Amino acid sequence: KNQVEQSPQSLIILEGKNCTLQCNYTVSPFSNLRWYKQDTGRGPVSLTIMTFSENTKSNGRYTATLDADTKQSSLHITASQLSDSASYICVVRGRWTGGYNKLIFGAGTRLAVHP
Amino acid sequence: GAVVSQHPSRVICKSGTSVKIECRSLDFQATTMFWYRQFPKQSLMLMATSNEGSKATYEQGVEKDKFLINHASLTLSTLTVTSAHPEDSSFYICSASGLAGVLEQYFGPGTRLTVT
Repeated sequence: KNQVEQSPQSLIILEGKNCTLQCNYTVSPFSNLRWYKQDTGRGPVSLTIMTFSENTKSNGRYTATLDADTKQSSLHITASQLSDSASYICVVRGRWTGGYNKLIFGAGTRLAVHP
Repeated sequence: GAVVSQHPSRVICKSGTSVKIECRSLDFQATTMFWYRQFPKQSLMLMATSNEGSKATYEQGVEKDKFLINHASLTLSTLTVTSAHPEDSSFYICSASGLAGVLEQYFGPGTRLTVT
């Protein structure tokens, strides 16, 4: 079954600290993996997108890694800010034939950054 | 990135009435649009996929007669919740993509529907 699992479910850190969010997936065949940030009451905003051949990709203080062999990804946030408080969603696109390729969403990690 | 808008951002309606939500791609032609709903503290759940000029494809368990989707142009898709009930209260998010959904999906800001 094609699934995306994220951990932890929620996380509280102090401002300025770093944190790492995890994503494991069973989607096959694999096309790409994305990390989105979703503020409360808003739509998801893309942070990174990685294909099979990419191991790491950065976007400012966000760095995503991908191990396609173990089907694991992580999102590292450096020097956290209060505005980083949001849900972070891992999304995997499969590569199926016959029609569009559906996105498989993880349940998200809710991050709270406290002063 | 591309911009997708939704209107309204919030809507409150009475039980039994219908409400329409618009999704627009502002700076690109969206051959495919997706409608999601999201309950509190849960992730997005795909409801249906619509291609411009074609009937929408609904996910299993989604009532097509209750959630009417129209994708009449390359920049506009609408979701109409008919005969709304309190359990339809949710956060509805659309996304848009070019080239039959193969390319990046760009998400709208969402619409909060409350049915009283």
